Amino acid sequence: KAGVTQTPRYLIKTRGQQVTLSCSPISGHRSVSWYQQTPGQGLQFLFEYFSETQRNKGNFPGRFSGRQFSNSRSEMNVSTLELGDSALYLCASSQGGSGETQYFGPGTRLLVL
Amino acid sequence: TQLLEQSPQFLSIQEGENLTVYCNSSSVFSSLQWYRQEPGEGPVLLVTVVTGGEVKKLKRLTFQFGDARKDSSLHITAAQPGDTGLYLCAGTGNQFYFGTGTSLTVIP
Repeated sequence: KAGVTQTPRYLIKTRGQQVTLSCSPISGHRSVSWYQQTPGQGLQFLFEYFSETQRNKGNFPGRFSGRQFSNSRSEMNVSTLELGDSALYLCASSQGGSGETQYFGPGTRLLVL
Repeated sequence: TQLLEQSPQFLSIQEGENLTVYCNSSSVFSSLQWYRQEPGEGPVLLVTVVTGGEVKKLKRLTFQFGDARKDSSLHITAAQPGDTGLYLCAGTGNQFYFGTGTSLTVIP
């Protein structure tokens, strides 16, 4: 099976812009979770989608949003970008059960200037 | 606020040395996972420990879950350059809570 894929791999934006990141999970996986990874804060949970519904949400402002499509692919959107949004954004997929193994994609590295 | 604190934050050792990484929390988790992340890649699961006091071995890596299911340790015997990477612990609840990470460099 193909692994989790994320596009684009690298992105440069300026403050105030918005950005959309895409994640394609492993075939058959129904859960997609998004994480933000920075040197200072480490890996922090953004939200999880399961069967097109947001199942869990981390402690991030409303500028961070996501959605999941019927084929389980997911997108994450960040509006009104701030310098502090520069990070590696990782998505992970799993079959969907509680505590199941997550498989991570390679991430999208976002730089906000 | 990080639920899981890892120590040390950085570790640089010579090939062949032993090391231990600690993952501590004041919260109880139903299970705890350890991941390794290499530059440019996402984290890859190494092991999941579920039972308090459980010890799991993966070749030269030994993982232990604390009796109270609040802490864990990762011990590497005879470290090799291929062990270099960022080691992350993660506790499971209604979501995954990741630790602060330990960056390990093994010098040939």
